[in-house]
Amino acid sequence: DAKTTQPPSMDCAEGRAANLPCNHSTISGNEYVYWYRQIHSQGPQYIIHGLKNNETNEMASLIITEDRKSSTLILPHATLRDTAVYYCIVQYGQNFVFGPGTRLSVLP
Amino acid sequence: DAGVIQSPRHEVTEMGQEVTLRCKPISGHDYLFWYRQTMMRGLELLIYFNNNVPIDDSGMPEDRFSAKMPNASFSTLKIQPSEPRDSAVYFCASNPSEPRVNTEAFFGQGTRLTVV
Repeated sequence: DAKTTQPPSMDCAEGRAANLPCNHSTISGNEYVYWYRQIHSQGPQYIIHGLKNNETNEMASLIITEDRKSSTLILPHATLRDTAVYYCIVQYGQNFVFGPGTRLSVLP
Repeated sequence: DAGVIQSPRHEVTEMGQEVTLRCKPISGHDYLFWYRQTMMRGLELLIYFNNNVPIDDSGMPEDRFSAKMPNASFSTLKIQPSEPRDSAVYFCASNPSEPRVNTEAFFGQGTRLTVV
């Protein structure tokens, strides 16, 4: 079973920040938080991951709470091409378990 | 690099026939994964290999499914005999090392299998 809980869907206006939450209250100390997304009909695409500290790359920012029980993926300026299903995964080693994710719709 | 390459992209077959899905991982990647995606069950890990050796096949649904990795650049997932409930998109992914040392998996474009 997936170790994460995400809202099933969210909307975001084009150009605005998209903030996607994820709860992982049972996360262990050595488990990382990964985010992937899947655009319709394509394979999942890696976005970002982190352990304790906040992370930022060219695609997004990842904010992890101090107790590590939840995190937020931030797409700073969402575009129509960011419409996808976003998966939050808690993982150590090879145990990649994808939950149902959040379907983000970026609206013009 | 062309990324993870899967073939065919689409496969339609009749129930009872053998189906073989193919995957070429990214060169130099030590790990290869096979996933299945359906509307009902989402993305499920079927099996993964490390250095061509199957490590965990607990996700393989039943004996009709088998996977091989004869060398570092090629893997197959075979279904024999196929059934309509096997209809799904099958993804192959690879990564260069243990994920716990901060690596991500790279996915192919998938094979859409339809068993009629």
